Amino acid sequence: QVQLVQSGSELKKPGASVKVSCKASGYTFTSYAMNWVRQAPGQGLEWMGWINTNTGNPTYAQGFTGRFVFSLDTSVSTAYLQISSLKAEDTAVYYCARDGVAGTEWFDPWGQGTLVTVSS
Amino acid sequence: AIRMTQSPSSLSASTGDRVTITCRASQGISSYLAWYQQKPGKAPKLLIYAASTLQSGVPSRFSGSGSGTDFTLTISCLQSEDFATYYCQQYYSYPITFGQGTRLEIK
Repeated sequence: QVQLVQSGSELKKPGASVKVSCKASGYTFTSYAMNWVRQAPGQGLEWMGWINTNTGNPTYAQGFTGRFVFSLDTSVSTAYLQISSLKAEDTAVYYCARDGVAGTEWFDPWGQGTLVTVSS
Repeated sequence: AIRMTQSPSSLSASTGDRVTITCRASQGISSYLAWYQQKPGKAPKLLIYAASTLQSGVPSRFSGSGSGTDFTLTISCLQSEDFATYYCQQYYSYPITFGQGTRLEIK
């Protein structure tokens, strides 16, 4: 079955970096875009952007430029989110989510989420 | 960016009730709207896309309607497993945006 499995929770200090992975299975990885969505504690869903899994070209939403980097390793069907210079306000659950159908931007499936906690 | 506004923000209902959640877009989005259900500690789950198309495996008590700026999600006969938070999402234009969520609680 189509599945996205994310890496485990992370506890980081301010100023550090973190890399979250999202491993896809059950479909052709390069046929569907991958999106990233943030959910701060007790808050709603915020779309961070997407990466073209065919070309590797990322698109970032406003507010997620500079410190946020989307990348791929197509040999292992895995997408990555790297956040540098972490701040306390980056504390959130980060989800990867596949386009439901190639070329449409409703999301299915979602990864299980990765909690990133930034605290000194 | 297109702003998505859900109402109500929270809702109390009983098992067996019929409930409706509304989502309004700040500009027309045709039918480029999806609905998700999220339970505590879990990832969102797609319920409906293209405003009214039920995702495979989703119970038929869920339905969606609307186009343009006004949309609704209806649950025809609430079951215990339906108590969760619901989000609408527009995918008409970038940036993709979500409503603030509607928390459905047991009365």
